Amino acid sequence: EAGVTQSPTHLIKTRGQQVTLRCSPISGHTSVYWYQQALGLGLQFLLWYDEGEERNRGNFPPRFSGRQFPNYSSELNVNALELEDSALYLCASSFGTQPQHFGDGTRLSIL
Amino acid sequence: DQQVKQNSPSLSVQEGRISILNCDYTNSMFDYFLWYKKYPAEGPTFLISISSIKDKNEDGRFTVFLNKSAKHLSLHIVPSQPGDSAVYFCAASAGNQGGKLIFGQGTELSVKP
Repeated sequence: EAGVTQSPTHLIKTRGQQVTLRCSPISGHTSVYWYQQALGLGLQFLLWYDEGEERNRGNFPPRFSGRQFPNYSSELNVNALELEDSALYLCASSFGTQPQHFGDGTRLSIL
Repeated sequence: DQQVKQNSPSLSVQEGRISILNCDYTNSMFDYFLWYKKYPAEGPTFLISISSIKDKNEDGRFTVFLNKSAKHLSLHIVPSQPGDSAVYFCAASAGNQGGKLIFGQGTELSVKP
């Protein structure tokens, strides 16, 4: 069974640009979660999507947004990139109350 | 406001001995707790979980203990193996927050042969 897949694995952007990260959940999982792990910090909850709807949002500015498609894959969009957005962005998926399973992340570097 | 804390950034243990990783939380609404293991350049891997209605859950070499009155949980690994060397994160969720997980900062475990 394929795990959670994320693309791209690495990305370099400059301040002010926009970026889109992608996530494909495990087959059968309907929920997708996004987390940010900045250098030296723990994982911070960003967004939760379930059945195409945004269910919960972490303490991040509105320039962080996303969506979930009918096939349950998801995108995370970040506008007006700032230096502090440099981080590992992790996607996780789950079904119902089952534990979340994570992808290997996208490493975003802002120059 | 760090609701989930892992106060030990690192832990070193001899192979074959017990590893005990600790985690404290402040939010009494948390009712589900998980431990994840993370190797460099990989995403976190789910290890074991426990509901607040239990005080212990065991899976092979891994046992999680929950002390609700102290708002403390721990992960015991017995016996420890060199392959267990990784960063361990505890995480918590509250039923009214759905799937939102709050993570600790992580503890880096090193198991020496």
